[in-house]
Amino acid sequence: GENVEQHPSTLSVQEGDSAVIKCTYSDSASNYFPWYKQELGKRPQLIIDIRSNVGEKKDQRIAVTLNKTAKHFSLHITETQPEDSAVYFCAALFSGGGADGLTFGKGTHLIIQP
Amino acid sequence: EAGVAQSPRYKIIEKRQSVAFWCNPISGHATLYWYQQILGQGPKLLIQFQNNGVVDDSQLPKDRFSAERLKGVDSTLKIQPAKLEDSAVYLCASSLAEGTGELFFGEGSRLTVL
Repeated sequence: GENVEQHPSTLSVQEGDSAVIKCTYSDSASNYFPWYKQELGKRPQLIIDIRSNVGEKKDQRIAVTLNKTAKHFSLHITETQPEDSAVYFCAALFSGGGADGLTFGKGTHLIIQP
Repeated sequence: EAGVAQSPRYKIIEKRQSVAFWCNPISGHATLYWYQQILGQGPKLLIQFQNNGVVDDSQLPKDRFSAERLKGVDSTLKIQPAKLEDSAVYLCASSLAEGTGELFFGEGSRLTVL
């Protein structure tokens, strides 16, 4: 099955700086890579996603890059703000035989220092 | 648009007792998932339904966990008997169809087993 590794487990950056979170996946057939943000005690919420036919996607201060050859993808947050503090999860999906549950990484706790 | 509804939000039981969680997905969403999120980890897929049929239950501990989605809408997840290691948040999620990728999560049911 799919295995997703996520680094770092904790990331502390100064407000206004950029943050980068990296993930690797094992199944070369995976074709969908979302990122979820989870605030303490809340549900995970999709913030951005990318499909395997695209190398990069941006949405305002958030961007995701995908390197299919190396089987890794990254989340980039620019001009970080206090409300960006949360746990971020990457995930990968391989849709095969109808089973398409996401495999999640272990999460990165992003701390924005004022 | 109403989101994914789950109940109860919190449950405390003793080991060897039983517990049931209920989920009502977003209207029209054919695919329903149950995930287990242990503190400090990413969500782990337990079971996936497509309408009222099971698509993937390969990671469901079937000796103690069961789930059903009889009419293709609401779902229940049951644990009997519970173990200490079952303490976690049980997240229900739904998506419009197989392979679309985007999941909408409920707020979760937090289980504490004493």
